[in-house]
Amino acid sequence: SQQGEEDPQALSIQEGENATMNCSYKTSINNLQWYRQNSGRGLVHLILIRSNEREKHSGRLRVTLDTSKKSSSLLITASRAADTASYFCATYNQGGKLIFGQGTELSVKP
Amino acid sequence: DAGVIQSPRHEVTEMGQEVTLRCKPISGHNSLFWYRQTMMRGLELLIYFNNNVPIDDSGMPEDRFSAKMPNASFSTLKIQPSEPRDSAVYFCASSLGGSANYGYTFGSGTRLTVV
Repeated sequence: SQQGEEDPQALSIQEGENATMNCSYKTSINNLQWYRQNSGRGLVHLILIRSNEREKHSGRLRVTLDTSKKSSSLLITASRAADTASYFCATYNQGGKLIFGQGTELSVKP
Repeated sequence: DAGVIQSPRHEVTEMGQEVTLRCKPISGHNSLFWYRQTMMRGLELLIYFNNNVPIDDSGMPEDRFSAKMPNASFSTLKIQPSEPRDSAVYFCASSLGGSANYGYTFGSGTRLTVV
């Protein structure tokens, strides 16, 4: 069963622009994580934000979490062609499971 | 570390045959997870192990699916008999202490095609 839902499903931007992806979820969480998947590859962990945190940065990535709205966003600044990939949010709850959303397909055109 | 290693990378088999997928987690990681990815259903958690013990197999679709972890460095996912609807990419992932504080490290996956 899917816990997170990403929005938009697909996003196409020019190199240098910022990309914002959103994730909504349904139940209470322990933490929320973002992953990247390049075509034909496994998922790569990008960032983890705990339920008591509101914002986190890692390089060109900025993640926000609003537990009252049960939503998160991932911002990639100054995007590059190499950022082209699918991005997934995943929620971890007390049940001990990491449940993934359907993902956002990002295309960055040079 | 070489990361999470899965084999084979690709598997094509005929309906009714037994399929065994293999995974070697990262040394020192005590949690191991099997996921299945399809276009229709996305990423589904099939089963996970903690310290080699199966904790939750509620995601295993049918009795045709079974998973074992005989030791800390090896796990298998077996499908017997296989059906065309089992065609998917199967991922193994490992983590240190579940996912309360750490993310998962995924393998490159096994692309299974059942004809």
